[in-house]
Amino acid sequence: GAVVSQHPSRVICKSGTSVKIECRSLDFQATTMFWYRQFPKQSLMLMATSNEGSKATYEQGVEKDKFLINHASLTLSTLTVTSAHPEDSSFYICSARIVGDQPQHFGDGTRLSIL
Amino acid sequence: GQSLEQPSEVTAVEGAIVQINCTYQTSGFYGLSWYQQHDGGAPTFLSYNGLDGLEETGRFSSFLSRSDSYGYLLLQELQMKDSASYFCAVSRNTGGFKTIFGAGTRLFVKA
Repeated sequence: GAVVSQHPSRVICKSGTSVKIECRSLDFQATTMFWYRQFPKQSLMLMATSNEGSKATYEQGVEKDKFLINHASLTLSTLTVTSAHPEDSSFYICSARIVGDQPQHFGDGTRLSIL
Repeated sequence: GQSLEQPSEVTAVEGAIVQINCTYQTSGFYGLSWYQQHDGGAPTFLSYNGLDGLEETGRFSSFLSRSDSYGYLLLQELQMKDSASYFCAVSRNTGGFKTIFGAGTRLFVKA
């Protein structure tokens, strides 16, 4: 089946650091990828839709200057958390979808801890 | 706006059958999916309904009624390893495809 790889799986860094998370579709081309954020014992909240070759579409309340998304190729989307602070600590998960097909395929997530 | 409602917690015993209901309200409805998530892990796909009716995949089945904006996940022959959170998720297409997750149902399976 379709595989999505997300890297790194865990990041611990100091406040003020920018952190880049990569999401790759390994065996299919993904024109659209999605970035979610999940706090402990809560649901997955859609942050943005990443579109290959164009600007990402952000959900209401998500700061686009804080969470930079780049989808430079059909197999790679990156999320950069700029100048991260402790409140940005969370579980970030990407997913990709094959057009015209279900379901979404999820990466294994990145656990981000900002000290 | 959009909303999804599912119970916050369900407890059942090994070998039993449990049904997790999901009601939704959204525009541009495309389909209803179900995902399982164990603590510390990423969501894994269980089942999808684009049309009304029942979809069966092994011990798991999912049902959708578009007219009632309602679906459910049915888990049979429960095993301890089924203890996890289960999310219903609505896919919608309103000028762009996106999937929105419900708050999740925590399932506890007891021996």
